[in-house]
Amino acid sequence: GAGVSQSPSNKVTEKGKDVELRCDPISGHTALYWYRQSLGQGLEFLIYFQGNSAPDKSGLPSDRFSAERTGGSVSTLTIQRTQQEDSAVYLCASSFGGLAGEVVRETQYFGPGTRLLVL
Amino acid sequence: ILNVEQSPQSLHVQEGDSTNFTCSFPSSNFYALHWYRWETAKSPEALFVMTLNGDEKKKGRISATLNTKEGYSYLYIKGSQPEDSATYLCASILFPGYALNFGKGTSLLVTP
Repeated sequence: GAGVSQSPSNKVTEKGKDVELRCDPISGHTALYWYRQSLGQGLEFLIYFQGNSAPDKSGLPSDRFSAERTGGSVSTLTIQRTQQEDSAVYLCASSFGGLAGEVVRETQYFGPGTRLLVL
Repeated sequence: ILNVEQSPQSLHVQEGDSTNFTCSFPSSNFYALHWYRWETAKSPEALFVMTLNGDEKKKGRISATLNTKEGYSYLYIKGSQPEDSATYLCASILFPGYALNFGKGTSLLVTP
């Protein structure tokens, strides 16, 4: 079946502009995650959605970052007033999202990422 | 150890060589350890999810071990092939949650 898809694959924007990144998770997966990898850094957790529960936003680096998940499926990560330090690869992942105690053991399936460059 | 650390940062081996990498993680509040392979221009691909001390997992020529008491995991590749060239990431879940805490990865290059 189809894997996790993300769009756009690449985005170049000017400092101060807003950007929206889209993620389509695997059908039937209730858990969705956003991560980013800045140059020379490891993958950094941003936000987590599980079903209809309130998202865990603890990883968002500033209030310029926000994310939504509509209808329990597609998610959009929005970065307002982009800064050069926002340049990174933004990865989305999804997992089945079973019982709470099982989520930690679930494989997360990643999309190909969106490469964001802020000039 | 407060963060997930991986070593070496990069590795260059010849085809046919066997190799191994290390992932160190905080041993307290451990819940699970994940290994991923990330090839350039592709999505990270899950290799293993390990939860129990002493766990050993194998997938073809790749295997991994887990020591939760001392906080480390080893990834082994037997008879490396050029197609094994990728960045190998490990991630642990340190709290009763779900967010993966990634190391910076080991970049492996296998040349013919």
